[in-house]
Amino acid sequence: DQQVKQNSPSLSVQEGRISILNCDYTNSMFDYFLWYKKYPAEGPTFLISISSIKDKNEDGRFTVFLNKSAKHLSLHIVPSQPGDSAVYFCAANNDYKLSFGAGTTVTVRA
Amino acid sequence: GAGVSQSPSNKVTEKGKDVELRCDPISGHTALYWYRQSLGQGLEFLIYFQGNSAPDKSGLPSDRFSAERTGGSVSTLTIQRTQQEDSAVYLCASSLIRSGGEQFFGPGTRLTVL
Repeated sequence: DQQVKQNSPSLSVQEGRISILNCDYTNSMFDYFLWYKKYPAEGPTFLISISSIKDKNEDGRFTVFLNKSAKHLSLHIVPSQPGDSAVYFCAANNDYKLSFGAGTTVTVRA
Repeated sequence: GAGVSQSPSNKVTEKGKDVELRCDPISGHTALYWYRQSLGQGLEFLIYFQGNSAPDKSGLPSDRFSAERTGGSVSTLTIQRTQQEDSAVYLCASSLIRSGGEQFFGPGTRLTVL
C-alpha cells in the first residue's frame, strides 16, 4: 500500500533552470512532510520539510509547496546546479513513522 | 565520526544463511529506525526503537526478521534463513526525539542473497 507516490522516476534539467519534483499522498493523517536527497552509496540526507499547517517553506534555492486539498506537494530547486544531481525522496510523517516515495532521479545537465 | 554508521557496507550471502547487520546511531539519539530499500522502491519501514519502550515491529516482513537494541545505543538487525527477495539496501536512521521529523541516516548495508 503505497501511501506516498512519486510518479516521475527521473527528471533531466539544464543547469540554471528550475527543477520541479512532485509527490502525492493518500493518508490525510500525515502532518509533516520532508524531502531527502540521496547520493549513490550514501544514506539519504534531510533537505527541507513542511508542516501540514503551512503551504510553503523556503530555504535558499529550495522551496516546498503543500496543497492539502489535493494531497500534493512539490519541491522546487532554482537555479539547479550540477551538485543537485541525486535521487530525491518525498516522505510523510504520521506520528513517528515516515512513509517514503520511490524517489525521483534528478540529472542536471551542464 | 558523528554520524550514523552501519556495518558491513556490503554483504553477500547464500540463500538459507543467517545475517546480522549492525547500526551505531548518533550518540544521544533516543530513536532508532531500520528501513529497507529494494531496487526501484522507496524506503520501507521495518522497525522502530524509542528509549526503553517496546519496539514497533509492525514493518518486519516475516518472523525471519528480528532486531534488538542493546543499552539504548547499538542495534542489530538479524535475518534468518535468508531468501533472494531479502536482497536490498538496509538503512538505519536515528533521531533525537520521538518524532517523524528529521531522521539521520547511515550509509546502509547492501545485502545480496545468492
